[in-house]
Amino acid sequence: QQPVQSPQAVILREGEDAVINCSSSKALYSVHWYRQKHGEAPVFLMILLKGGEQKGHDKISASFNEKKQQSSLYLTASQLSYSGTYFCGTAIPTGTASKLTFGTGTRLQVTL
Amino acid sequence: DTEVTQTPKHLVMGMTNKKSLKCEQHMGHRAMYWYKQKAKKPPELMFVYSYEKLSINESVPSRFSPECPNSSLLNLHLHALQPEDSALYLCASSHLPGRDPIGYTFGSGTRLTVV
Repeated sequence: QQPVQSPQAVILREGEDAVINCSSSKALYSVHWYRQKHGEAPVFLMILLKGGEQKGHDKISASFNEKKQQSSLYLTASQLSYSGTYFCGTAIPTGTASKLTFGTGTRLQVTL
Repeated sequence: DTEVTQTPKHLVMGMTNKKSLKCEQHMGHRAMYWYKQKAKKPPELMFVYSYEKLSINESVPSRFSPECPNSSLLNLHLHALQPEDSALYLCASSHLPGRDPIGYTFGSGTRLTVV
């Protein structure tokens, strides 16, 4: 069962902030965040390993609430380059490998 | 080299054809993956290789046959595909669990059309 993201889509004006939520019905071992622009490969943004962990670089940060099985991605002072579809993912270790299951996705459009 | 290279970028094949998709990485990653992505949907895991051995097969039909000839190469052999198999096929690589955790590095994909 894949994680569910909200909102499904959001339109921002440049400079505005956004929050994307990721919720799982199963335990989250780790949370990945990716951005995929149209026609391109998903690009890794960050990984959170522990409950309560927060990370960030530039104006994009994320938090992980292990107890609630939720993660949130925060985009501050959005730029046109932030447009794309954002996916969370949970990587479940299975033996010597792991399975990364993507969330449902959030389409973000930043306009002037 | 911090890239995953996939070839070809586009492929059109008939339902009776046999073709192969190729993926290459030189980052020393010992885990490699095939994902399938339909339009406006998230990527779906197909296969996972670790140490060049198939670790996970997500109940993929046998008309898709993966192969990992060495630690840098991953192939996906296609035979007798159906039109509904048309999609973007993404290859990815990463370190194995237990090493410094990093994200997956994805290739730009092969856009496959089955006619």
